[in-house]
Parts: sequence; structure tokens; C-alpha cells
Amino acid sequence: DTAVSQTPKYLVTQMGNDKSIKCEQNLGHDTMYWYKQDSKKFLKIMFSYNNKELIINETVPNRFSPKSPDKAHLNLHINSLELGDSAVYFCASSPPQGTYNEQFFGPGTRLTVL
Amino acid sequence: DAKTTQPTSMDCAEGRAANLPCNHSTISGNEYVYWYRQIHSQGPQYIIHGLKNNETNEMASLIITEDRKSSTLILPHATLRDTAVYYCIVSPGGSQGNLIFGKGTKLSVKP
Repeated sequence: DTAVSQTPKYLVTQMGNDKSIKCEQNLGHDTMYWYKQDSKKFLKIMFSYNNKELIINETVPNRFSPKSPDKAHLNLHINSLELGDSAVYFCASSPPQGTYNEQFFGPGTRLTVL
Repeated sequence: DAKTTQPTSMDCAEGRAANLPCNHSTISGNEYVYWYRQIHSQGPQYIIHGLKNNETNEMASLIITEDRKSSTLILPHATLRDTAVYYCIVSPGGSQGNLIFGKGTKLSVKP
């Protein structure tokens, strides 16, 4: 019954490695997002995809590459991980374009880079 | 940067109403006021939104001033489970508007 799911929930890895975080939504939404919440608890949007097309890319390093195989999935690939990438990453989705912007968030993936 | 200003923290007694203020003096005519909350270690959760009129749903009420420069989120009977960070956000309508989260208000509901 989970609306927006993410895997893994926790990810611990070494600097320089490449890792992926998966996101799936079963709500039939057209738009999906990735957010990063750092240690100071600021939540910032990274990417937005609408129907598999990139809409927003908020000055994120090109080591981060979102991939959307279909509109129910938006995976986040991170190359050459750095210490500063340690954070909680949230996936979200929202309904087809309407009059307002209600986003449904996943449970988050806590990434720790050692 | 967030276009809203909220108090850093607030306390509320369990069973009482929690009134969370938000200033958004630079809000544009096409921007909605959204409220989300984030319970510890969970993803943010949508609460309510409004444009001009006051709104109420099963979770909360939203009171927007006539000039739309400020609003108040009201949790009518706060419970311990309402302890969370509450975010007030202004954003255009439509799913492609950004949600820019500020620092929010940490609401602590105490027994």
C-alpha cells in the first residue's frame, strides 16, 4: 500500500564509490522529485521530472544523474561520492498538473559517505 | 530562498489548539500558501493549502489574512503525535511549481 517507496533506507559507502537510490510511486502521478536534506535540516529540491522529462535541475553537480525508466520510477545515481553528499534524500511525487501542488514524499534514504 | 518567515519553535499543551503563524509579505497573486509538516525521521507530509479563502480539512484549518501577507495554521486539538517541524510555503499552483522549504517551526506538544 506504500504510496512512494525508496530503497535502500540506509546507505553507507566510501568516498569515490558510485551508488543508486531507487524511488517508485504507485499513485499514478506524472511528476516526481528528488530532494536533499542536509545535516542542518534544510530541505532543497534537486530535480523534478514530468512524464519522464526533466523539468527542474537546481544547480546540482553533474555527478548526480536522475533516471526515469517510466513515470512511476525516478532513480538517483550518484558518481564519485564525496563526504558532502552525506544527507537524507527524499523522493516525492505529485498528481497531474492541476490547480495546486500537493506532493507526496517517500520515507527517505539516509546516505553516509565515509 | 524561502519567501516565508516563521517562528523557530513553539510549545503547545496536549488537547489545546496550536496556532502557527507565517508571514509571506511578498506573496504574488498566483501563489498559494501551503503547509507541510515533517515528523522526526519521516518524509514531509502535506497538511493544507489555500489561495485567498480560509480552508479547513480533517487535519487543520488555514486562516489567510485579507491582504494575503500572513496566515495561521490551526491544529484544533493538538496531540503528542503532532510534534513536528511545520513548514509554510508559498508557491504557484500546478505540479511544476517549486516547493521551497524554509527552516519551519518546531512545534512541541507537551502532555
